[in-house]
Amino acid sequence: SQTIHQWPATLVQPVGSPLSLECTVEGTSNPNLYWYRQAAGRGLQLLFYSVGIGQISSEVPQNLSASRPQDRQFILSSKKLLLSDSGFYLCASSPAGSRYEQYFGPGTRLTVT
Amino acid sequence: GDSVTQMEGPVTLSEEAFLTINCTYTATGYPSLFWYVQYPGEGLQLLLKATKADDKGSNKGFEATYRKETTSFHLEKGSVQVSDSAVYFCALSDRNTGGFKTIFGAGTRLFVKA
Repeated sequence: SQTIHQWPATLVQPVGSPLSLECTVEGTSNPNLYWYRQAAGRGLQLLFYSVGIGQISSEVPQNLSASRPQDRQFILSSKKLLLSDSGFYLCASSPAGSRYEQYFGPGTRLTVT
Repeated sequence: GDSVTQMEGPVTLSEEAFLTINCTYTATGYPSLFWYVQYPGEGLQLLLKATKADDKGSNKGFEATYRKETTSFHLEKGSVQVSDSAVYFCALSDRNTGGFKTIFGAGTRLFVKA
């Protein structure tokens, strides 16, 4: 079975500071990878997805970016955080041949102050 | 486009009560359907799935049947426990888009009282 790691688990950053969240996947190869944001008490907003190394699709225009430097590594970044970037960030993996179910990491809670 | 609608919460039940969380969908293709569960402070976990019409997904006492005629995938459990308190998300993944994206409902929070 696969395992998804995310770090850090929690983060408090001032407005205007940079951001780097990392996600790594174990136990599968060539997965589809996803970044979601969940605002407090709300549903999931898909931010980015990737079907392979260096292939990133953005779902919403914003000050965030994503990169996939290795097959099982997915990074979410920002050069300057906004207050509205606060939320719970979830990385997910859809393994090849899984009939499209997704497996989620434990999440990173980001508070921008 | 594809969409998922699920009943608004919160839903509050007593232990051993019967649970139903309604979910309906719209899709242009032939989607796979899922229920995910999120416990406080954690990521989502796949609870059950169904990949074609009339399939029944089941896990941990929960079940849901893929009803193409009513475009529904309602979640049920015969006797809930306090430990079932969580947020439940209905979701679909449409094969016509290669399954690259999953559409999630807004989530339904369940509270179970002892």
